[in-house]
Amino acid sequence: DTGVSQDPRHKITKRGQNVTFRCDPISEHNRLYWYRQTLGQGPEFLTYFQNEAQLEKSRLLSDRFSAERPKGSFSTLEIQRTEQGDSAMYLCASSAVYEQGGVAEAFFGQGTRLTVV
Amino acid sequence: DQQVKQNSPSLSVQEGRISILNCDYTNSMFDYFLWYKKYPAEGPTFLISISSIKDKNEDGRFTVFLNKSAKHLSLHIVPSQPGDSAVYFCAASATGGGSEKLVFGKGTKLTVNP
Repeated sequence: DTGVSQDPRHKITKRGQNVTFRCDPISEHNRLYWYRQTLGQGPEFLTYFQNEAQLEKSRLLSDRFSAERPKGSFSTLEIQRTEQGDSAMYLCASSAVYEQGGVAEAFFGQGTRLTVV
Repeated sequence: DQQVKQNSPSLSVQEGRISILNCDYTNSMFDYFLWYKKYPAEGPTFLISISSIKDKNEDGRFTVFLNKSAKHLSLHIVPSQPGDSAVYFCAASATGGGSEKLVFGKGTKLTVNP
């Protein structure tokens, strides 16, 4: 296991289409995060899972966005009825939670670059 | 309202000299701070972190300093190398909040000239 893996790396879609991205975290990590990054900005938090439970969603995550982590391993992020404003880099990260408390640093995947035309 | 600010969009230094990247934050609940490095078309790579119970953390050529009273942290790279050229993001987390989600600054583009 060499790190967080995201697929696809690039996606071009027409406005109004649905897209789905996949993230495979580092295998022993039970926390999984989705972030979005636009040009000139830092990554912005979208949502996170601990195991299969989605515990927090940002107000940035409109009703068109849905994320799942059905078995507590890989996760998918779906965007329905894409808009041009959805064009961004979508980043997945994972981290470990220690039994004695505390969270280790998050490790990021290479991201999925979405372009909505 | 930006809770993490990196006020210098870019920084240029000579190889072998010190690079100092700065970061300010406004949320007093932040208690864990990280620096990430990002190359074009890649995800951020973790560099170094510091907990609010410390004021300094060192890892090889990288040192992070935290001044809680000023809500300021800085990353020092000594000596700087051309391979350090990248965008550096400062990030902060409120670990008591449960999610440990990261709040990022906009980044500083570092260029190290040979």
